[in-house]
Amino acid sequence: EAGVAQSPRYKIIEKRQSVAFWCNPISGHATLYWYQQILGQGPKLLIQFQNNGVVDDSQLPKDRFSAERLKGVDSTLKIQPAKLEDSAVYLCASRYQGFDEQYFGPGTRLTVT
Amino acid sequence: AQSVTQLGSHVSVSEGALVLLRCNYSSSVPPYLFWYVQYPNQGLQLLLKYTSAATLVKGINGFEAEFKKSETSFHLTKPSAHMSDAAEYFCAVSDYSAGTALIFGKGTTLSVSS
Repeated sequence: EAGVAQSPRYKIIEKRQSVAFWCNPISGHATLYWYQQILGQGPKLLIQFQNNGVVDDSQLPKDRFSAERLKGVDSTLKIQPAKLEDSAVYLCASRYQGFDEQYFGPGTRLTVT
Repeated sequence: AQSVTQLGSHVSVSEGALVLLRCNYSSSVPPYLFWYVQYPNQGLQLLLKYTSAATLVKGINGFEAEFKKSETSFHLTKPSAHMSDAAEYFCAVSDYSAGTALIFGKGTTLSVSS
């Protein structure tokens, strides 16, 4: 079974530029999460999707972050414009409905200079 | 609100020694509790989980954890450390009855020396 795929793995941009991350969850997993992991901290939820609907985006900075999950499969997270404090690893995870475990992708490491 | 506290940001042990990583949680409802491991430049991998069944939970790679409601703790242990156990460990809590995602602690870095 293929795991959660994310791309790119690394990205370096200047502040005020825009960036997009892509996630392809495990086939059949209806729930998809985006987490932000700042160096030295645990992951923090940004947004949760159930199929193509948003379940929880209360911690998403909506003035600069956006996310979509068209067709309920893969998802894109965008930052526009980026700030220095957005430097972090962005983790995507997915979960099969009715089960407890979330499966995490390898993450995208973003550096904003 | 739910929260997780991991005591000790760094733990160092010798190979063959007992590993003990501490986790305390706060939750207003019976929680689901998880331990994840993260190796450098990789995503998180589930070690074990507690979901209101047996209080002593066994996971992969010889790790286990015990849920103690009276102490609101879910400490991770391994009887004998191996060099390959060196990684970062995260404790997480969730209240799936409310459909929420995982809330993570800040993590504990485990170092194993020979």
